[in-house]
Amino acid sequence: AQSVTQLGSHVSVSEGALVLLRCNYSSSVPPYLFWYVQYPNQGLQLLLKYTTGATLVKGINGFEAEFKKSETSFHLTKPSAHMSDAAEYFCAVRARGGSEKLVFGKGTKLTVNP
Amino acid sequence: GAVVSQHPSRVICKSGTSVKIECRSLDFQATTMFWYRQFPKQSLMLMATSNEGSKATYEQGVEKDKFLINHASLTLSTLTVTSAHPEDSSFYICSAPGDRDYGYTFGSGTRLTVV
Repeated sequence: AQSVTQLGSHVSVSEGALVLLRCNYSSSVPPYLFWYVQYPNQGLQLLLKYTTGATLVKGINGFEAEFKKSETSFHLTKPSAHMSDAAEYFCAVRARGGSEKLVFGKGTKLTVNP
Repeated sequence: GAVVSQHPSRVICKSGTSVKIECRSLDFQATTMFWYRQFPKQSLMLMATSNEGSKATYEQGVEKDKFLINHASLTLSTLTVTSAHPEDSSFYICSAPGDRDYGYTFGSGTRLTVV
């Protein structure tokens, strides 16, 4: 069964600092990988996804993530944090060729300090 | 892009009453809709998967008689929380697989409070 681990339920950075949110998946076949952002009392917005091809994926709002098969990881980064980046971030996976179900990590709350 | 409109955004109801939550796909046909529940400061828990024209598939531990799901058309899926109790208070979110370029599209969520 697919599973997703997000290391760190809370991450705090200063405005302008690097953002690094960690995600590791567990499956024998690399799944489709997603990062979503959720603002309070709102649904989820897709930041980026990896399905195939280039392993460095660029998303919206300056975020990017790199799929590393050898490390079973899909960490999310942003070079310079903005106050508006403060939100909850979820990593999710979907099995290839199987169910369309998304399996979510537990989420990481990002706080950006002025 | 693909949009899923979810209503209501907030609802307060009395214990014992039923509440219906609607999710509509506005510019695409959603043959499948996923329904999630999210407790405060927690991740999304998949409750059930609805497919247009057929019975919903519920995840283990989810009471199908309490959480009634209907997917009568390609653009509308509904979740009815029947005989609601305070422990049903939660944030409910729907999601549909969009086309390949958009991945999954999520509704904006419904905050249910049962008093």
